[in-house]
Amino acid sequence: GENVEQHPSTLSVQEGDSAVIKCTYSDSASNYFPWYKQELGKRPQLIIDIRSNVGEKKDQRIAVTLNKTAKHFSLHITETQPEDSAVYFCAAIPNSGYSTLTFGKGTMLLVSP
Amino acid sequence: DTGVSQNPRHKITKRGQNVTFRCDPISEHNRLYWYRQTLGQGPEFLTYFQNEAQLEKSRLLSDRFSAERPKGSFSTLEIQRTEQGDSAMYLCASRTDISYNEQFFGPGTRLTVL
Repeated sequence: GENVEQHPSTLSVQEGDSAVIKCTYSDSASNYFPWYKQELGKRPQLIIDIRSNVGEKKDQRIAVTLNKTAKHFSLHITETQPEDSAVYFCAAIPNSGYSTLTFGKGTMLLVSP
Repeated sequence: DTGVSQNPRHKITKRGQNVTFRCDPISEHNRLYWYRQTLGQGPEFLTYFQNEAQLEKSRLLSDRFSAERPKGSFSTLEIQRTEQGDSAMYLCASRTDISYNEQFFGPGTRLTVL
């Protein structure tokens, strides 16, 4: 089955800095990679996703890159703001099965004003 | 609120008791997933329904766990003879059939087994 590793587990940055979170996956057949943001006590919410036929995707201050050869993908947040503080999860969906998400263990991002 | 809803939001029970959780997905979503999330971890897949059919179960789902989606709408997850290790957040998610479509999560049910 799929295994997703996520680093770092905690990331502290100053407001305005950039933040990068990295994930690796094991199943070369995986073809969809969403990122979820989970604020304390709240439900996970999708912030950006990327398909395996695309190398990079941007949405305002957020971008995701995918390297299929190396089987890793990264989340980039620029100009961080205190409201970006949350736990971020990467996930992967294999090309087979029923689109069940395999999540990384999460990265707690702390943005200090 | 037209999002995924879950009830109850919190459940405290004693070891050995049975508990049942309910998930109401977004109305047009025929795919429904249950996940379990423990502190400091990402959600882990438990089981999946397409309409009323339970098509996939994780090895995490012991025989004390059972899930149903009788009419292809809401779903229930029952845990029999609860153990302290069952303490976790139980999340439900739903989506449509469209490929790569976002899974929308509910707020979860936090189970504490004393």
